[in-house]
Amino acid sequence: QQQVKQSPQSLIVQKGGIPIINCAYENTAFDYFPWYQQFPGKGPALLIAIRPDVSEKKEGRFTISFNKSAKQFSLHIMDSQPGDSATYFCAARPIYNQGGKLIFGQGTELSVKP
Amino acid sequence: GAVVSQHPSWVICKSGTSVKIECRSLDFQATTMFWYRQFPKQSLMLMATSNEGSKATYEQGVEKDKFLINHASLTLSTLTVTSAHPEDSSFYICSALDRGSYEQYFGPGTRLTVT
Repeated sequence: QQQVKQSPQSLIVQKGGIPIINCAYENTAFDYFPWYQQFPGKGPALLIAIRPDVSEKKEGRFTISFNKSAKQFSLHIMDSQPGDSATYFCAARPIYNQGGKLIFGQGTELSVKP
Repeated sequence: GAVVSQHPSWVICKSGTSVKIECRSLDFQATTMFWYRQFPKQSLMLMATSNEGSKATYEQGVEKDKFLINHASLTLSTLTVTSAHPEDSSFYICSALDRGSYEQYFGPGTRLTVT
């Protein structure tokens, strides 16, 4: 199964809150899991990515948690700011095709209220 | 580093004309580039994958004769929308694969409006 299921579709948090966006997959051949941030009218920007050999990765205020057995991964944004308001996409790619296409989730529209 | 540029950022054309969109990787070589289309509030829809020096691979349902892709060098890919119609109006985004890191970087997108 090549799908990546992302939830929630939209999320509203107060400034300083910790929004959590979840993704689930079924294909055990996936081994690269990036997150992208997209502002309106712009292309997606690579935020952070993880491989299954680690359970957590942090870059600044962004953290990916990875649960290999559950085939789930999530993005946490610490101390969220209004400037984090954007659409976030998770994605996955299989190990056997590192030059191949990413499978994207449906996206989460995040709004951080001041 | 890892910058991908796209030109133009927006274009308006008349129905029946053709439009070319350029995608360049500025600070890395991209043997593989991808072209996406995105409708408002939707995810990215992959149109085709192009490898330098070879023909593009189109996703199911994408008309290869309408969306011509050329990947002439390790830093440049072009998408030409031929005989454009209003239903081709969309946000087109290219992306390039960095062979060193296997990470995929996106361009800023091109807004196409066909009148």
